[in-house]
Amino acid sequence: DADVTQTPRNRITKTGKRIMLECSQTKGHDRMYWYRQDPGLGLQLIYYSFDVKDINKGEISDGYSVSRQAQAKFSLSLESAIPNQTALYFCATSDLPGSSYNEQFFGPGTRLTVL
Amino acid sequence: QKEVEQNSGPLSVPEGAIASLNCTYSDRGSQSFFWYRQYSGKSPELIMSIYSNGDKEDGRFTAQLNKASQYVSLLIRDSQPSDSATYLCAGKTSYDKVIFGPGTSLSVIP
Repeated sequence: DADVTQTPRNRITKTGKRIMLECSQTKGHDRMYWYRQDPGLGLQLIYYSFDVKDINKGEISDGYSVSRQAQAKFSLSLESAIPNQTALYFCATSDLPGSSYNEQFFGPGTRLTVL
Repeated sequence: QKEVEQNSGPLSVPEGAIASLNCTYSDRGSQSFFWYRQYSGKSPELIMSIYSNGDKEDGRFTAQLNKASQYVSLLIRDSQPSDSATYLCAGKTSYDKVIFGPGTSLSVIP
C-alpha cells in the first residue's frame, strides 16, 4: 500500500469552480506539504503544516487554501479555479527534524486542468 | 540568486558512462541535502541523502558534499537508459525549510 495517497489523480474543471485535492498518509509523519509543478519547472511550495495546529504559507499561496483535518490528512482547495492553476500537484510528508533529516516523501500527484 | 541551483540540461551520456550532476546552494547554514529522481509525469523519488562532507555511496550512486564550496553532486556509474529522468537537488536550510532546485534532465543514450 502507498504511504502517501492523493485523490483525485486527475481532474478537469472549469474556470470559477471550487475544487479540493486530498492527501492522506500512513507514514505517521507530522509535517505535510503541498507543491505545484508546471511543465519543465521545479517544485513550488504552496502551503505546509508542521502539525495539526500549525499551517504556513509557501511561495505561491495566493488563490489556494488548506485544511489539516488530522495528522494524516491535509487538503488543498482552490476556491475559484483559474486556467493558470493548471499544473501537477504533489503532497509530501516528512518526519520531525530530531528523528530524521527531514527527507520528504511524495504522493503520486494530481494532474489538474482548469478550462 | 536562487537558493539551490542546478544546470537544467539536458545532460546526455552514453550507456555505461558516468553521469555527473551538480548542484550549488546559497545558505551556508544548510546541513542536509537530498537527490530525487523524477520520471516524466511521476512524483519525485528520494534516491540519496547526504549530511557530512565527503562521499556517500549507494549502489551505482555516489553523492558528494563540499560544504566549504557549497556544492553537492551526484554521480551515476554505469548509466542505464532507465536512469533517464530529471534529477532534483534539495537542501534543508538553516531556517528549517527544504528548498528544491529546478532539476537537471538526464538522457542516457543506448
